[in-house]
Amino acid sequence: GAVVSQHPSRVICKSGTSVKIECRSLDFQATTMFWYRQFPKKSLMLMATSNEGSKATYEQGVEKDKFLINHASLTLSTLTVTSAHPEDSSFYICSARDIAGGPYEQYFGPGTRLTVT
Amino acid sequence: SQQGEEDPQALSIQEGENATMNCSYKTSINNLQWYRQNSGRGLVHLILIRSNEREKHSGRLRVTLDTSKKSSSLLITASRAADTASYFCATDVEYNFNKFYFGSGTKLNVKP
Repeated sequence: GAVVSQHPSRVICKSGTSVKIECRSLDFQATTMFWYRQFPKKSLMLMATSNEGSKATYEQGVEKDKFLINHASLTLSTLTVTSAHPEDSSFYICSARDIAGGPYEQYFGPGTRLTVT
Repeated sequence: SQQGEEDPQALSIQEGENATMNCSYKTSINNLQWYRQNSGRGLVHLILIRSNEREKHSGRLRVTLDTSKKSSSLLITASRAADTASYFCATDVEYNFNKFYFGSGTKLNVKP
């Protein structure tokens, strides 16, 4: 149980295009999902908190117009990197909090590697 | 990192030896968790320790927490080559247990 999937697992896009990454909770409902970014050999940086049915909350320094987050259902959150640039290349990981679980029970997706050429 | 640092940044040991990783954090917390990440993969939850706990065990893992020093350690005993991975601590913040902030991570290499 408690599986989170991400799609795609890898994506290569050209500068200036937009890329959408999906995060799904497969066997539980998640009112809250989180998006992280990880640079090579670095730690995970929390980008934003995605709340079902409401606007996402972004961490300081994260451009909300650049990284669009939509949490349209209890099992799906999407992150869209708009007008991507090579510096947006990174490993993006989502996590989901089980609505029926404790507040500290988060389950992580396998990550999406984005390469912008 | 957003919340804390880990040391060492990298650790290389022989199979069978123990591995100790340390994590320091900046703000008061409710819980601290340790995660493992294999190269280029997602995170696997290892263990959670609450702020009112000082030590916790799970199999070959032993975690300690010193809230007065804002630090934690993860000990892996009798390490195996399969333990090779990066290890991260993650903390919430006292006023918001929803958010996790990760330490900088320790890259562990266990040589067979």
